[in-house]
Amino acid sequence: AQSVTQPDIHITVSEGASLELRCNYSYGATPYLFWYVQSPGQGLQLLLKYFSGDTLVQGIKGFEAEFKRSQSSFNLRKPSVHWSDAAEYFCAVSSGGSYIPTFGRGTSLIVHP
Amino acid sequence: EAGVTQSPTHLIKTRGQQATLRCSPISGHTSVYWYQQALGLGLQFLLWYDEGEERNRGNFPPRFSGRQFPNYSSELNVNALELEDSALYLCASKNRVTNTGELFFGEGSRLTVL
Repeated sequence: AQSVTQPDIHITVSEGASLELRCNYSYGATPYLFWYVQSPGQGLQLLLKYFSGDTLVQGIKGFEAEFKRSQSSFNLRKPSVHWSDAAEYFCAVSSGGSYIPTFGRGTSLIVHP
Repeated sequence: EAGVTQSPTHLIKTRGQQATLRCSPISGHTSVYWYQQALGLGLQFLLWYDEGEERNRGNFPPRFSGRQFPNYSSELNVNALELEDSALYLCASKNRVTNTGELFFGEGSRLTVL
């Protein structure tokens, strides 16, 4: 069964600092990987996705993520965080056989001015 | 293009009552997913509908049920409400043709059970 682990429940950064949110997955074959963001009181919005090809993927709002098969990881990065990035971030995994994405528990990002 | 819409936005019920939540997918999307987001637990998969049929359900008791209508909209019913059913219920739709797992989410229905 596929699973996703986001080891950090909360991350606090200063505005302008760099950011890395961790995501590890468990799945036998090449997975489809996603990062979603949820602002307070909102649904989830897709930031970026990886299906195949280049392991470094670019997303919206200046985010990027790198797929590392050897580490079963798909970490999300941003070089300079803005106060508006404060939100909940979810990593998710799916596969060609499973039509049901599995989500991690989320990482809450707090941005200090 | 309209996104996924959910109603009601908020719903307050008491223990033992029934709740009905509704979802309209993006036009052209035939798959609808329901997730429960309880505090601190992330998103838990509830139900998946496609082409009017229930395709899979998560590890939830039978009092969680739903259906999908011919226009692909969906409703989620929760019977015999319990306090722990208080959560944000998210609906998402997908373009089945792409089959890459990307979901488009609504803003959710907040259910409070007193």
